[in-house]
Amino acid sequence: RKEVEQDPGPFNVPEGATVAFNCTYSNSASQSFFWYRQDCRKEPKLLMSVYSSGNEDGRFTAQLNRASQYISLLIRDSKLSDSATYLCVVNRAVGGTSYGKLTFGQGTILTVHP
Amino acid sequence: NAGVTQTPKFRVLKTGQSMTLLCAQDMNHEYMYWYRQDPGMGLRLIHYSVGEGTTAKGEVPDGYNVSRLKKQNFLLGLESAAPSQTSVYFCASSYSGGPKNIQYFGAGTRLSVL
Repeated sequence: RKEVEQDPGPFNVPEGATVAFNCTYSNSASQSFFWYRQDCRKEPKLLMSVYSSGNEDGRFTAQLNRASQYISLLIRDSKLSDSATYLCVVNRAVGGTSYGKLTFGQGTILTVHP
Repeated sequence: NAGVTQTPKFRVLKTGQSMTLLCAQDMNHEYMYWYRQDPGMGLRLIHYSVGEGTTAKGEVPDGYNVSRLKKQNFLLGLESAAPSQTSVYFCASSYSGGPKNIQYFGAGTRLSVL
């Protein structure tokens, strides 16, 4: 089983739609969680951090369910500019020390069309 | 704002050749990381450093070496390149290694080994 699993998609949605991505992780000791966005042939950039049960930033909402080891990202009122790959990222914790090592999901591809 | 700078951006090698990828950050970050990204897979950690003069192995270290002689620079070396090392390489840095550390990425180096 992969440490971090995402539905690779692709998700094709019209402008204005609401879309949700799911992610599961296997290490119950994981301490923090992130969603990164990666545009085509570009570097990953932080979209949101999720430390407790959830976080909201404008049209974006991230939820964390530690009991089910599940993270989600909800995008409301999708824009053309939201088209990208969304990476679910988990901060591993091994023996209480992670040294910042992150585990990345394979990414979910989103295409928003007019 | 330079952030994290990687050189070169593109490189083509023949099997058996060697090369060094340079990563430089101007944010005074302690931690630095090298990842590789292959199609259909998440970013995988090659090596990392928790401070000047330190290095440690990540998830896929075989065939690579690293050095961190100066705090701002993290070098990734391929001593004898193999076609399996064809990939996109990303360097990242972070202020600390704690659970809330955010990693900032360079623009990547696209390497092809023929």
